[in-house]
Amino acid sequence: NAGVTQTPKFQVLKTGQSMTLQCAQDMNHEYMSWYRQDPGMGLRLIHYSVGAGITDQGEVPNGYNVSRSTTEDFPLRLLSAAPSQTSVYFCASSYSGTSSYNSPLHFGNGTRLTVT
Amino acid sequence: KNEVEQSPQNLTAQEGEFITINCSYSVGISALHWLQQHPGGGIVSLFMLSSGKKKHGRLIATINIQEKHSSLHITASHPRDSAVYICAARYNTDKLIFGTGTRLQVFP
Repeated sequence: NAGVTQTPKFQVLKTGQSMTLQCAQDMNHEYMSWYRQDPGMGLRLIHYSVGAGITDQGEVPNGYNVSRSTTEDFPLRLLSAAPSQTSVYFCASSYSGTSSYNSPLHFGNGTRLTVT
Repeated sequence: KNEVEQSPQNLTAQEGEFITINCSYSVGISALHWLQQHPGGGIVSLFMLSSGKKKHGRLIATINIQEKHSSLHITASHPRDSAVYICAARYNTDKLIFGTGTRLQVFP
């Protein structure tokens, strides 16, 4: 099992550019989620999904879009990058619902994004 | 609003000391996670609790459902334990909310 694969590791964007952060898992997890980590603020939930075709907003969804067309993939799209989106982004997955009660979280290695 | 409060924010210890990190949360959680993040960024899951106590090596995690409180203990701390420890509450909607983390430094 590869676990959670997150790409790219680093990205520099200019203001207004768009891009997609990729997240894939091979553990058949229903739950997938995206977080941003900023100094002094901890991890904040951007969007999450409990299965293919189902997504929901987290604490800080503005400026980001997600879709979940398959169980394995959960891409995060920045539609028009802004300097405020400079951050480290993490994807995580686990089982969902009652299956989650004994399911640890599995994290990708993170993407360091800089918007100039 | 679903919230998670973690304390202390920073913790310094001498090698061998007993460490306690605390986490409080609001109602309706289905599970409480403890995570470890080393400098350089990777996040690793340490424990997932819905009741009682779990132990793995020198790490012990406990949760008190009535008091909405969880603790992570490290016995006989070692410099390699230096990291940021994060608690995260999983609410019944499957939404995860994270504490701001505790930065632990253990000196030899």
